[in-house]
Amino acid sequence: NAGVTQTPKFQVLKTGQSMTLQCAQDMNHEYMSWYRQDPGMGLRLIHYSVGAGITDQGEVPNGYNVSRSTTEDFPLRLLSAAPSQTSVYFCASSYSSADTQYFGPGTRLTVL
Amino acid sequence: QQPVQSPQAVILREGEDAVINCSSSKALYSVHWYRQKHGEAPVFLMILLKGGEQKGHEKISASFNEKKQQSSLYLTASQLSYSGTYFCGTEVGNTDKLIFGTGTRLQVFP
Repeated sequence: NAGVTQTPKFQVLKTGQSMTLQCAQDMNHEYMSWYRQDPGMGLRLIHYSVGAGITDQGEVPNGYNVSRSTTEDFPLRLLSAAPSQTSVYFCASSYSSADTQYFGPGTRLTVL
Repeated sequence: QQPVQSPQAVILREGEDAVINCSSSKALYSVHWYRQKHGEAPVFLMILLKGGEQKGHEKISASFNEKKQQSSLYLTASQLSYSGTYFCGTEVGNTDKLIFGTGTRLQVFP
């Protein structure tokens, strides 16, 4: 039981490049979410999903896309990276939004 | 919509107590508390659902006042291991959106 896994752990991009942050869980959780963490800003919700095929926007969705084709995976796509997207990204999963959230180890992204 | 946490930072000696508050301007469905150590992912502490319940976890407990839209986290007889940043997360209504506050940094010294 690996829990929530995220890849890569570190990434450096140039402005305008695109990439996908991967998130997978093996706990059969329906609810998955993406947060970004910046100093002094706490954890801010980017997108979330209540089940396969269903996604919705969080607090700061601009510049990010998500899809949920399977229960296990919830990738986060940056279509055209900007320096403002430099952050630590956490993926989380749970049975629902009212249950314990299990966080992945995070991806530290730097956009130059 | 982001809940407000207070204080922003707390410095304690081992054995001292602390209270961290979390308040929202909107009606809450649930309140979550997590602790994050530097360079690590947040770790679950407890969840309180609407109903004004109080929960305990070792020497850490929490209350949820649904009418006041507030929750408080109580840390008693603090230990060095309690150091970290504490986040409250709130779900407004039954929206499936879990929104976190900006965090309270707690440092415990010997």
